[in-house]
Amino acid sequence: EPEVTQTPSHQVTQMGQEVILRCVPISNHLYFYWYRQILGQKVEFLVSFYNNEISEKSEIFDDQFSVERPDGSNFTLKIRSTKLEDSAMYFCASSGGQNNEQFFGPGTRLTVL
Amino acid sequence: EDQVTQSPEALRLQEGESSSLNCSYTVSGLRGLFWYRQDPGKGPEFLFTLYSAGEEKEKERLKATLTKKESFLHITAPKPEDSATYLCAVPNSGGYQKVTFGTGTKLQVIP
Repeated sequence: EPEVTQTPSHQVTQMGQEVILRCVPISNHLYFYWYRQILGQKVEFLVSFYNNEISEKSEIFDDQFSVERPDGSNFTLKIRSTKLEDSAMYFCASSGGQNNEQFFGPGTRLTVL
Repeated sequence: EDQVTQSPEALRLQEGESSSLNCSYTVSGLRGLFWYRQDPGKGPEFLFTLYSAGEEKEKERLKATLTKKESFLHITAPKPEDSATYLCAVPNSGGYQKVTFGTGTKLQVIP
């Protein structure tokens, strides 16, 4: 069964460093998303991406964040200068259509020291 | 602003003891409602999509129902492996690009 994959599973970084989180969405999906979940809190939408551009973003997704689809299979989230409060699980998701359910990857646990 | 509220926050059941989880939503122009299951340290696992009031979907011991203001996830004769956090989510008023999640109900099924 097709699934969303994410790497790395755990990333530890120093405050102020740049990190890139990687995702491989389900191959025939067209819509891609990033979410985060701070420990013990709810899943929060960050950004959606379609047709090689951001279609919607939340207030969390400020200038420190960027997304890219560098090739036909990968979808990345970059945090330019990490802060302590960026520590969270980051989930990638994809869907086959705008009205379809989203399928989530296993997540990357980001720890900022 | 779109809101999703789930209750109870936590639920402890004996194996075989049926119950229901609630998801109340406030969104103008509901375009669907999603139920997910999340195990600790894992990503949400899709369960159901409901589109209109009166709709029901079933999967094994789970049945999801939808009214104009809320959705219920009924768990019949649960087993310990049903222990997880169950999340409800709705696409925002403008479409499916942004999805708002509830805080979830943490279910524990005791053997």
